[in-house]
Amino acid sequence: SQELEQSPQSLIVQEGKNLTINCTSSKTLYGLYWYKQKYGEGLIFLMMLQKGGEEKSHEKITAKLDEKKQQSSLHITASQPSHAGIYLCGAALGGSARQLTFGSGTQLTVLP
Amino acid sequence: NAGVTQTPKFQVLKTGQSMTLQCAQDMNHEYMSWYRQDPGMGLRLIHYSVGAGITDQGEVPNGYNVSRSTTEDFPLRLLSAAPSQTSVYFCASTSGYGYTFGSGTRLTVV
Repeated sequence: SQELEQSPQSLIVQEGKNLTINCTSSKTLYGLYWYKQKYGEGLIFLMMLQKGGEEKSHEKITAKLDEKKQQSSLHITASQPSHAGIYLCGAALGGSARQLTFGSGTQLTVLP
Repeated sequence: NAGVTQTPKFQVLKTGQSMTLQCAQDMNHEYMSWYRQDPGMGLRLIHYSVGAGITDQGEVPNGYNVSRSTTEDFPLRLLSAAPSQTSVYFCASTSGYGYTFGSGTRLTVV
């Protein structure tokens, strides 16, 4: 089983709708990263969460870290076609911020 | 700044052939790593390096070799390619806060 489970695996939403992607760890989280990937391209760093209860926002994307639940959520408000892509969470499960374990990704499609 | 540069972008190999995937970064990052990305499996760590002259194995190192002679370069070598190594390969570097990824190499082994 994966140490980092992402859900859902894929998501299709109508433009303008809100959505949430979850990332749950089976081990203690020492830092949680969110990345976005477009097909055929590399990963774009979105944000990093380090402390329990921490919440960060960038434009219409908000990420939260629940340390007790060992879980992070990524919320997109009023989705746009430009939000489409694969969202991956990565976490430093072994205590080193430099060795990241990644979830399997969530494929997001936004219909115009 | 170029960030992390990977070459080539695409490659087709025959089983048994060898090749080197190149990775270079210009951010003076000490830590570099190689990942492979397969459908439904996310990114899996192949090898990593914490500085010039120091490398170590990740989750899926078999069939791959690495070396780190300079801070900038971290090549990944496939000694005898196998169809199971068909994947997208990403090189990444970090100074400790967030990773910068290359654009990837799509490798097909036939």
